[in-house]
Amino acid sequence: QPVLTQPPSVSAAPGQKVTISCSGISSNIAANYVSWYQQLPGTAPRLLIYDNNRRPSGIPDRFSGSKSGTSATLGISGLQTGDEADYYCETWDTSLNDERVFGGGTKLTVL
Amino acid sequence: QVQLVQSGAEVKRPGASVTVSCKASGYTFNTYGIVWVRQAPGQGLEWMGWISGYDGNTYTAQKFQGRVTMTTDTSTSAAYMELRSLRSDDTAVYYCARDQRPYYFDTCGYYGYWGQGTLVTVSS
Repeated sequence: QPVLTQPPSVSAAPGQKVTISCSGISSNIAANYVSWYQQLPGTAPRLLIYDNNRRPSGIPDRFSGSKSGTSATLGISGLQTGDEADYYCETWDTSLNDERVFGGGTKLTVL
Repeated sequence: QVQLVQSGAEVKRPGASVTVSCKASGYTFNTYGIVWVRQAPGQGLEWMGWISGYDGNTYTAQKFQGRVTMTTDTSTSAAYMELRSLRSDDTAVYYCARDQRPYYFDTCGYYGYWGQGTLVTVSS
């Protein structure tokens, strides 16, 4: 069972906005930076967001990140069919073993 | 441009060992660490550990301690991950990725460049 909880799936129409939640506890999300990764089918993950809300160069501003307390959120606006992918949150966790942990992943479907 | 190129797919028997390589280019290898992440078929991502490109220090997830060895060869800008005593549930795609925080292990690391992945199949 992943330490970080994400909804298994979300869906929205092209052009709409969707949010993906990542729920943790005080020893992970609340105390550390959160990153988000996109994984298109059959490919390696790609960094979308780091340090809770910062975008690497080349990532469009349609992607945004936020954090409040023990939860983090990835927002994707102006949805495109090419955004269909799995999305993972990730952070440092000290609840059991001091190590980096990923959420279980969320499958985004663009209807 | 930064590239990480991994070795090819492997098929191993239970109890055997496998070594996956990750050759880096496009940056100064000893400036950044390399992490290893795996993904079982149809499952999520699992962080295995980190190795410094600077001094070879490692940080291994507890689950893999005693079974994983991570090394680097700075002369060839390559990182290696050996997993021993393979079991069927080690069947997965193994990725290397570059930590964007330089030099030392940082609990706030994040991974901006990834290898293409190496499928390791463990089957009798």
